[in-house]
Amino acid sequence: GESVGLHLPTLSVQEGDNSIINCAYSNSASDYFIWYKQESGKGPQFIIDIRSNMDKRQGQRVTVLLNKTVKHLSLQIAATQPGDSAVYFCAEKGQGAQKLVFGQGTRLTINP
Amino acid sequence: NAGVTQTPKFQVLKTGQSMTLQCAQDMNHNSMYWYRQDPGMGLRLIYYSASEGTTDKGEVPNGYNVSRLNKREFSLRLESAAPSQTSVYFCASSEDWGGKLFFGSGTQLSVL
Repeated sequence: GESVGLHLPTLSVQEGDNSIINCAYSNSASDYFIWYKQESGKGPQFIIDIRSNMDKRQGQRVTVLLNKTVKHLSLQIAATQPGDSAVYFCAEKGQGAQKLVFGQGTRLTINP
Repeated sequence: NAGVTQTPKFQVLKTGQSMTLQCAQDMNHNSMYWYRQDPGMGLRLIYYSASEGTTDKGEVPNGYNVSRLNKREFSLRLESAAPSQTSVYFCASSEDWGGKLFFGSGTQLSVL
């Protein structure tokens, strides 16, 4: 069955450095991917999404890269700030599928 | 706009008690969802409503019922609460089925 996983459950970075959060997926038919940010005590918040006909998409300080060959998704956060501390989830949806499948999440902590 | 509003934020129940979690969205979205989030389990879909007037089971529907009261409101009912239903519950909505989800702030439920 389809599944979404993360390479690392936790990630610590220095303030000001770039962060890279990785996600592997198993369904080669997935055609839509989303990254969510969840701060403590809050609901997941949409960050950025990408469709399978693209390999890169940029937002404000964030970039999502999609490598369909190895079924890998990454979220890059530039100049990481204390406010970026959160759990980050990737999610995928297979072509014709009816729901998003969420990964387990990566906790990003920022060191001053 | 408030987005997705859930009530209550916290609830403690005794085993066997019933309660209803309320959710409303003001984005004129067609689809609404209920998820539960447990440590190490990620977000799991309980029920969804692809459009007003329809509801369907998700991954973990046992012990729950839902009502799509109108386009704005989607409630989740626990008829006889069990300790296994201790979790954080999130309501979400999307413009259309399978699209980008917007989440509420969650309800932390403890069943003793």
